[in-house]
Formats: sequence, structure tokens, C-alpha cells
Amino acid sequence: DAGVTQSPTHLIKTRGQQVTLRCSPKSGHDTVSWYQQALGQGPQFIFQYYEEEERQRGNFPDRFSGHQFPNYSSELNVNALLLGDSALYLCASSLGADGGSYEQYFGPGTRLTVT
Amino acid sequence: KNQVEQSPQSLIILEGKNCTLQCNYTVSPFSNLRWYKQDTGRGPVSLTIMTFSENTKSNGRYTATLDADTKQSSLHITASQLSDSASYICVVSGRKAAGNKLTFGGGTRVLVKP
Repeated sequence: DAGVTQSPTHLIKTRGQQVTLRCSPKSGHDTVSWYQQALGQGPQFIFQYYEEEERQRGNFPDRFSGHQFPNYSSELNVNALLLGDSALYLCASSLGADGGSYEQYFGPGTRLTVT
Repeated sequence: KNQVEQSPQSLIILEGKNCTLQCNYTVSPFSNLRWYKQDTGRGPVSLTIMTFSENTKSNGRYTATLDADTKQSSLHITASQLSDSASYICVVSGRKAAGNKLTFGGGTRVLVKP
């Protein structure tokens, strides 16, 4: 039973560039949530995808966008990167759009460094 | 505003000793509370999840308690091991009126020394 996988593991980008992070949910899960975790902080909710649509969104600018594919995998895109976007980006999968009630399983994260 | 506050921010304990981490929240209406363990640079791993009607739940040497009236939870680690060194994050979920979002605490960083 495959768990949540994310790619790449690490990434270094320059200010102003664009980045795409990828996530495959746990087998049988259909909902993907993305989080940003700055060093020494708790994760901050970015958005959640269910049935290929963005269902909920946290307080992140439009530079952060996403996509969910028919196989439930998901991408997180960040445009016009800022130094402050450097963080660990976590993907979590669950079953059903009611993410508050169902167990969320986290992937290992992608460490993004913006220079 | 929904908030989750954890204390202490960090602590150091000797191997074999016990410790207790605290979590206070203001999320309402409440659905469930989770404790996660996060090793450095890795994704969080679930330890326990408790609903309104549960006031204690154990997972091996980890025991979580919940007082939904005072909106407080604790995580007790018994007979700590070096592998317990990690951040422990309290996460509270609200019901639909609260947006179904998970609200994360800032975590407590635990260092177990031999």
C-alpha cells in the first residue's frame, strides 16, 4: 500500500522563477491538501483539492496555484518566487472533501530554497 | 480566530524520563484533535486522533488527553527514548461551520539526551 509521495525532495530556485511541486496521494485517497512549513514553525494550510477542484484555500496569494489530475495526484505551482517562499512544502492526502473529519497522511515534503 | 497554542516551545529530557506537552485551542465548533510527531525535515506522522467524546487515547508510550470543556489537550511521553527526539504538533479540526480546515500549533521540539 503506497503512502503519500512527493517530488522532488529538494529544490533550489532563484527569485522571480516559477516552481512546480508534485504529490501522489495514498492509495485509495481522493483529496489532497498542501501546506507550507517555514523552519521552526507549524504547517500553514495553502489549499485543498477534491474532484479536480480547489475546495478550500488558506491565506496565500494568487501566486500559489494548484491542480489535481483524474488519478488524484496533484501539483502545487508557485510563480514569481520570493525569498520568503523558502520552506518545506507538505502534501497530505485523505478520503473525502471533509478533510476535517478524516485522517490526513502526510508525505515527506519538498524542501524549497529560494536564493 | 481559530488558534492552537502549544507549550513549551522546546524541552530537553533525559532518556528514560517522562514528559508532558500541552495544547490549548480556540477552534469552534470542534471536530477532533490530533497529535503528530515530525522528525526534522520529514512529514508529520499521526500519533493519536480524538473526537469530542474521547478524553484519553494511547499509542504505545504516547498518551493523549482531551478536555473539550476547557479546550485543552496534553501528550504524555512515558520512558522517553532517543528516537522520541522530534517536534510534536497539535492539530485541531473544526466542523463545517469552522471551515473544515485543520489549525496547526507551532509544535514543541523535544530533545532526548542519553
